[in-house]
Amino acid sequence: GDSVTQMEGPVTLSEEAFLTINCTYTATGYPSLFWYVQYPGEGLQLLLKATKADDKGSNKGFEATYRKETTSFHLEKGSVQVSDSAVYFCALSLPFSGGYNKLIFGAGTRLAVHP
Amino acid sequence: EPEVTQTPSHQVTQMGQEVILRCVPISNHLYFYWYRQILGQKVEFLVSFYNNEISEKSEIFDDQFSVERPDGSNFTLKIRSTKLEDSAMYFCASSPDRYHEQFFGPGTRLTVL
Repeated sequence: GDSVTQMEGPVTLSEEAFLTINCTYTATGYPSLFWYVQYPGEGLQLLLKATKADDKGSNKGFEATYRKETTSFHLEKGSVQVSDSAVYFCALSLPFSGGYNKLIFGAGTRLAVHP
Repeated sequence: EPEVTQTPSHQVTQMGQEVILRCVPISNHLYFYWYRQILGQKVEFLVSFYNNEISEKSEIFDDQFSVERPDGSNFTLKIRSTKLEDSAMYFCASSPDRYHEQFFGPGTRLTVL
């Protein structure tokens, strides 16, 4: 079945370090890919998305490139800040499956950034 | 900026009791969803709702669950007879159409004792 696998956390970094959170997927169709972020005490917020192969989603210094050949959508940021501390979820959606765009999530990766 | 709201933020109930979780989606959105996240586990899809009917539901969404849009603004999830394993964070989401991203509410933490 369709699924998302992302690296286990927690990931602990110092401020200004480089961040990579790995995400790979399995899908029967051609998915759209998303990264959502959940700050402490808040709901899920869309961070970035990509809808076709080689698309790069970017927002707030975060980037992820849709790699169809490796079925991956790794999240990167060149210099993290303390305020980036949150849980990051990779997700896919198959909008043409007749499933009305349900999201399939990975397990989430907790990021903790220290000063 | 419009947002999805959910009430209550935390609900504690006894096993076997009925609970209703409430959501107010963004006003011009047409698609509505419920997800849940058991502590330490993945966010899981429960149900999607469009045009006043369920469009898709997961295996989790059994006869104990129901959804309703009782008026033009609210979207509710009812659990008829709660079980211990229903304890989770429940997220409501909405989207303007099936091709746009979903906007999530802050969640309701349900604790079943």
